[in-house]
Amino acid sequence: ETGVTQSPTHLIKTRGQQVTLRCSSQSGHNTVSWYQQALGQGPQFIFQYYREEENGRGNFPPRFSGLQFPNYSSELNVNALELDDSALYLCASSLVWDREDYEQYFGPGTRLTVT
Amino acid sequence: AQSVTQLDSQVPVFEEAPVELRCNYSSSVSVYLFWYVQYPNQGLQLLLKYLSGSTLVKGINGFEAEFNKSQTSFHLRKPSVHISDTAEYFCAVSVDTGTASKLTFGTGTRLQVTL
Repeated sequence: ETGVTQSPTHLIKTRGQQVTLRCSSQSGHNTVSWYQQALGQGPQFIFQYYREEENGRGNFPPRFSGLQFPNYSSELNVNALELDDSALYLCASSLVWDREDYEQYFGPGTRLTVT
Repeated sequence: AQSVTQLDSQVPVFEEAPVELRCNYSSSVSVYLFWYVQYPNQGLQLLLKYLSGSTLVKGINGFEAEFNKSQTSFHLRKPSVHISDTAEYFCAVSVDTGTASKLTFGTGTRLQVTL
């Protein structure tokens, strides 16, 4: 069983640029959630995708967007990068069955630095 | 909206001593509760979860937690810690009906185990 993988592991971007982060869900999982973890903080929920549709969003502006593909891999896109976007971005996958799921499996994260 | 408070940002403890990491939550509805561990430069790993039933929950690596509804607490305990338990620990809550995958995290507690 393959776990959750994320790419790249590290990334450096300049303010104003756009970035795409990628996540490959654990085999058999149909839901992916993205979290932002600033240095010294707990992760904050960005949004979740279930069967390719957004299924809930946290307090993040529209320049944070995502996609989930038929194979349940996912992308997080951030436009017009700001310095405060520097953080560890975590992807988590889970299996939602009959509207119930109780455990998320996290990937190792992508460390984004905006200069 | 729900929130999570981890009362201690850092907990130093000697090896083989017991430890308790405190977590309090705020919610007007029923909750699901989780503890995650994060080792340096890694993602999050689930230690244990409370969904319903017995208020004493046992997890991996010898950890356990007790759900106390009247005190809105979910403290994590281990009777004897090891050097390898040094890590960041996050308490999290979810209140979504039917799915527990949109997590609200606390700010974390750094457990530092020394000889």
